[in-house]
Amino acid sequence: GAVVSQHPSWVICKSGTSVKIECRSLDFQATTMFWYRQFPKQSLMLMATSNEGSKATYEQGVEKDKFLINHASLTLSTLTVTSAHPEDSSFYICSASIGLAGTDTQYFGPGTRLTVL
Amino acid sequence: KNEVEQSPQNLTAQEEEFITINCSYSVGISALHWLQQHPGGGIVSLFMLSSGKKKHGRLIATINIQEKHSSLHITASHPRDSAVYICAVPTQGGSEKLVFGKGTKLTVNP
Repeated sequence: GAVVSQHPSWVICKSGTSVKIECRSLDFQATTMFWYRQFPKQSLMLMATSNEGSKATYEQGVEKDKFLINHASLTLSTLTVTSAHPEDSSFYICSASIGLAGTDTQYFGPGTRLTVL
Repeated sequence: KNEVEQSPQNLTAQEEEFITINCSYSVGISALHWLQQHPGGGIVSLFMLSSGKKKHGRLIATINIQEKHSSLHITASHPRDSAVYICAVPTQGGSEKLVFGKGTKLTVNP
């Protein structure tokens, strides 16, 4: 089946530093990738949608200058948390969709746990 | 915008019990997702269904589009089934964006 990987699986960083998280579709080309954030005991919340070769679309309340998304190829999207602060500590999850229609399955990555000290 | 309600929030069962988790949503959709999240956080897609019923091993998912309701069943539950089960639906008809339920935490005791 379709596999999505994320790297790193966990990261601890100091406040003020930037952290890059990679999301790769291993055996398929993903036209669309999604980035989610999950705080403890909360639901997943969509942060942004990215399509290869175009700018990401951010959800209301998500700072695009803080959460930089690059979707350089059909198999790779990156999320960079810039100038991270403790309140950015969360579980970040990506998913990838094969097709363009709204009914296509999203394949989820295993997630990246970010802890900002 | 679609709203998703799951029940129960928490569920404790004994091994071999039959489990049912429910999901209701407010806006008509084309497909619904059931996901499993293990304690470490990783998410696995279990089902995407738009009508009727799907079965994979001991897992069965059903959906009633008219009633805007879906159920996830686990037969002969096992401690390794312990996880959070989440249903997700498009934010609105035809959208790629998903809105997620708060999840049902299942604990299966040996």
